[in-house]
Amino acid sequence: EPEVTQTPSHQVTQMGQEVILRCVPISNHLYFYWYRQILGQKVEFLVSFYNNEISEKSEIFDDQFSVERPDGSNFTLKIRSTKLEDSAMYFCASRGGYDEKLFFGSGTQLSVL
Amino acid sequence: GENVEQHPSTLSVQEGDSAVIKCTYSDSASNYFPWYKQELGKRPQLIIDIRSNVGEKKDQRIAVTLNKTAKHFSLHITETQPEDSAVYFCAASKGGSYIPTFGRGTSLIVHP
Repeated sequence: EPEVTQTPSHQVTQMGQEVILRCVPISNHLYFYWYRQILGQKVEFLVSFYNNEISEKSEIFDDQFSVERPDGSNFTLKIRSTKLEDSAMYFCASRGGYDEKLFFGSGTQLSVL
Repeated sequence: GENVEQHPSTLSVQEGDSAVIKCTYSDSASNYFPWYKQELGKRPQLIIDIRSNVGEKKDQRIAVTLNKTAKHFSLHITETQPEDSAVYFCAASKGGSYIPTFGRGTSLIVHP
């Protein structure tokens, strides 16, 4: 069964540094998402991406965040200047154009020190 | 925006018992309600979903019910097994973007 893959699985960074989280969505999917989950809390929506542009974003997704689909397979989330409160598990998800089901990747645990 | 409330936050049952997790949503336009199971340190996995034109859906030991009038939906797990232990998230979304808004999760513990 095809899966969404994310790299790295763990990322440790210093406050103020830039990080890029990488995702390879399921190959024939058209809609891409980033969510985050702070330890012990619910999964929170960050941004959705369709047809090479952001379709929706939440209040969390401020100017420090950006997304990109640099080629036909990768989907990246960049945090320009990380803060302590950015520490969380970041999940990528994708959806085909034919139904509502989101499939999640295994996540990147980001720790900002 | 949509707000999804989920109860209880923790549910402890004996193996073989039934477990019920309840959620309410606020946006009457929501029409798709997935449930995700998340084992410790792993990705959320879709286990069952229901659309607003259906009142109940069953898949082996799990079932979901939806009451559109009251804006609540529930997950029912029968004959629970230790491997059902996980955090379960309900979510609600609507047509167009289908961006699910998640509840806070229920930690289900099944004691052997």
